[in-house]
Amino acid sequence: DAKTTQPTSMDCAEGRAANLPCNHSTISGNEYVYWYRQIHSQGPQYIIHGLKNNETNEMASLIITEDRKSSTLILPHATLRDTAVYYCIVYRNQGGKLIFGQGTELSVKP
Amino acid sequence: ETGVTQTPRHLVMGMTNKKSLKCEQHLGHNAMYWYKQSAKKPLELMFVYNFKEQTENNSVPSRFSPECPNSSHLFLHLHTLQPEDSALYLCASSSQGARQPQHFGDGTRLSIL
Repeated sequence: DAKTTQPTSMDCAEGRAANLPCNHSTISGNEYVYWYRQIHSQGPQYIIHGLKNNETNEMASLIITEDRKSSTLILPHATLRDTAVYYCIVYRNQGGKLIFGQGTELSVKP
Repeated sequence: ETGVTQTPRHLVMGMTNKKSLKCEQHLGHNAMYWYKQSAKKPLELMFVYNFKEQTENNSVPSRFSPECPNSSHLFLHLHTLQPEDSALYLCASSSQGARQPQHFGDGTRLSIL
């Protein structure tokens, strides 16, 4: 499974959009990009995933570049409850492992 | 409420004790996982079960013994643990097939005295 690179930490003002980048330059054609987050004292929570098209659900949007070497998770209106560690993971659904890196610690501030 | 319940939430045990962690999922999934999360470290996959059969053991010491009696329940039996085994132990479940995300419980915080 391909490796990902994320910034260690980011800040975002409450009510603004939070844009979390992820680099995955060695991604292969059958690997998906998954995003999870982990709020303090809880287990990781699935957010969204995609292959090559942009995706949107009730939590977030996922923008994947055309060459698939990077992606951005967008929380359109961040709240204080979105403060968490966000993990970008590249994963083959069949036979792959969900390998968590260090993630990005997002702090949403009033 | 994630649909994955872990008990106990906290556990303190001595190095010579034997205890078990329990995980139950109410999502109809057929794959279950144990992860370990030590302080300041990423989550590490320990074991994977598919349809009650163990399909992955990620070089975990034998003092950790998993058991999966059915697709809804997963146990982690602990014996003769070491202080470095103190960590958050997380259970997850998923459906088989493409694009199925894993759903996690909130973990058991284990402290070894």
